[in-house]
Amino acid sequence: GAVVSQHPSRVICKSGTSVKIECRSLDFQATTMFWYRQFPKKSLMLMATSNEGSKATYEQGVEKDKFLINHASLTLSTLTVTSAHPEDSSFYICSARESYRAENTEAFFGQGTRLTVV
Amino acid sequence: RKEVEQDPGPFNVPEGATVAFNCTYSNSASQSFFWYRQDCRKEPKLLMSVYSSGNEDGRFTAQLNRASQYISLLIRDSKLSDSATYLCVVTPRSSGTYKYIFGTGTRLKVLA
Repeated sequence: GAVVSQHPSRVICKSGTSVKIECRSLDFQATTMFWYRQFPKKSLMLMATSNEGSKATYEQGVEKDKFLINHASLTLSTLTVTSAHPEDSSFYICSARESYRAENTEAFFGQGTRLTVV
Repeated sequence: RKEVEQDPGPFNVPEGATVAFNCTYSNSASQSFFWYRQDCRKEPKLLMSVYSSGNEDGRFTAQLNRASQYISLLIRDSKLSDSATYLCVVTPRSSGTYKYIFGTGTRLKVLA
């Protein structure tokens, strides 16, 4: 099946620094990618929808200047957590779907990135 | 009201039992529905899509009720390995894009 690779799987950074997370579709072109965050024992919260070649669409309450998304190619989207603070510590997961506006296309998930800000 | 709601559980059931989960959604224009499974500290993995006519995959049966806006998942003959969190996913259309919205998840524990 389709594979989505997310890197790094785990990162610890100091408060105030920025962290970049990469999401790659390895064997298909992903016109749409999604970024989620998940707190312990909670569900995945959609942060933003990333479309190749255009600006990301952020969900209500998500700061676009805080969480920068770049989807410059059909196989790569990046999420940069800028000026990270301890409350940004979370599990970040990306997912990718091959077809734009396809109704029954499943999304494939990256392995997730566990971010800890100290 | 949340877009997608599930009973968080946990559902503790003995091996061999049959267990059912429901998931309700608020956007009547939602087009696609899925059940995902998530193990602790891992990414979600697709369990099955949910089709309008209902569908079955081995011990798993999924149903969709558009009139009442809910989907269900039935697991027969539960195995210890079925212990996980089950997430329903709904894809409402927004600004031309089908977004993936997750329910809160239902935790299942199958007990020996």
